[in-house]
Amino acid sequence: KAGVTQTPRYLIKTRGQQVTLSCSPISGHRSVSWYQQTPGQGLQFLFEYFSETQRNKGNFPGRFSGRQFSNSRSEMNVSTLELGDSALYLCASSVGTFYEQYFGPGTRLTVT
Amino acid sequence: KNQVEQSPQSLIILEGKNCTLQCNYTVSPFSNLRWYKQDTGRGPVSLTIMTFSENTKSNGRYTATLDADTKQSSLHITASQLSDSASYICVVQSNAGNMLTFGGGTRLMVKP
Repeated sequence: KAGVTQTPRYLIKTRGQQVTLSCSPISGHRSVSWYQQTPGQGLQFLFEYFSETQRNKGNFPGRFSGRQFSNSRSEMNVSTLELGDSALYLCASSVGTFYEQYFGPGTRLTVT
Repeated sequence: KNQVEQSPQSLIILEGKNCTLQCNYTVSPFSNLRWYKQDTGRGPVSLTIMTFSENTKSNGRYTATLDADTKQSSLHITASQLSDSASYICVVQSNAGNMLTFGGGTRLMVKP
């Protein structure tokens, strides 16, 4: 079975721009969660989608949004980028909310 | 406030030695506790996931323990190898809103 894939792997954007990150879960997994990881804050939960519906949301501003498609693929969008948004964005998939999560390699976003 | 505290923050051991990492949490209501291993520049990989009724769970040379009464968990690594050098992250999931709370991680370095 193919693992979780994320595209792109690296991205450089300037302040004020917006960005869209993509995540393809493991086949058969309907839950996709997004996380932000920075050296200072560690791993922080952004949101979780299950069957195209947002189930849970972390404490992030409305500039961070996401969606999930009928094939379980998910996208995350960050608008009006700030320098502090520079981070590793990780996506994880699972069969359900309380099940083991499998992480992708992440997208390294740098905002200049 | 839900919190997960890990200790030590960093640890250096010699190859072949054992070590134990600690995790204390205040997450309530408790659903499950997870240990992840994260190599530098990669996504976390699940080591164990334990529910309320499980006291011990092993995955090869990794053994996790859980004391739900004292809200403490430990991850014991036996006969360490150079490839064990990584960050180990403790994560606790709550039944309320299915929220995941992450510890700051323990950075382990195994030296030859």
